[in-house]
Amino acid sequence: AQKITQTQPGMFVQEKEAVTLDCTYDTSDQSYGLFWYKQPSSGEMIFLIYQGSYDEQNATEGRYSLNFQKARKSANLVISASQLGDSAMYFCAMREGWNAGNMLTFGGGTRLMVKP
Amino acid sequence: NAGVTQTPKFQVLKTGQSMTLQCAQDMNHNSMYWYRQDPGMGLRLIYYSASEGTTDKGEVPNGYNVSRLNKREFSLRLESAAPSQTSVYFCASSERGVSTDTQYFGPGTRLTVL
Repeated sequence: AQKITQTQPGMFVQEKEAVTLDCTYDTSDQSYGLFWYKQPSSGEMIFLIYQGSYDEQNATEGRYSLNFQKARKSANLVISASQLGDSAMYFCAMREGWNAGNMLTFGGGTRLMVKP
Repeated sequence: NAGVTQTPKFQVLKTGQSMTLQCAQDMNHNSMYWYRQDPGMGLRLIYYSASEGTTDKGEVPNGYNVSRLNKREFSLRLESAAPSQTSVYFCASSERGVSTDTQYFGPGTRLTVL
């Protein structure tokens, strides 16, 4: 089974509007972390936001917030007031447990296109 | 701070050739990782090094070897390149013991094997 599922291959949003990118995850661990990364057309991976499994509050970083619904195993990224520079691929990733290495498992990504 | 640096940025190999991808980080992180990203997909872990002196296999280790040269440097070697290894390779580092353990990525190496 897929550990990280991103069901939206591509999305359009109008500039200045908010957009939600979906991410569901599958784990039996109690301790895990969820991450969102942005990959612009230039190719680098940029860290956006982190949510820990024990965090009671939804994470926020500027225009980014993470809608964490633990019972549903979802960790959706919300971008408020979209900008043209937000056009990119967005990847959800999970770190399971607290073992050595803390490797990340990535979803397949969502391509976001912001329309002027 | 340069963060995570990778060399080279681009490389073209013929089938059977060997090469080493270099990675260095200046954030004093303990853990380092090598991922590959195939077209239209997310990243998959090849190898990782939880701390200096240790290395372990990830999800797709076949055809690769790694060396953790010191705390700063972690190299990835392809002994006999195959077309299936055409991909973009990312190195990352993180600091264990920090609650988020966020991984920070280098700019990537685009490798083509003919």
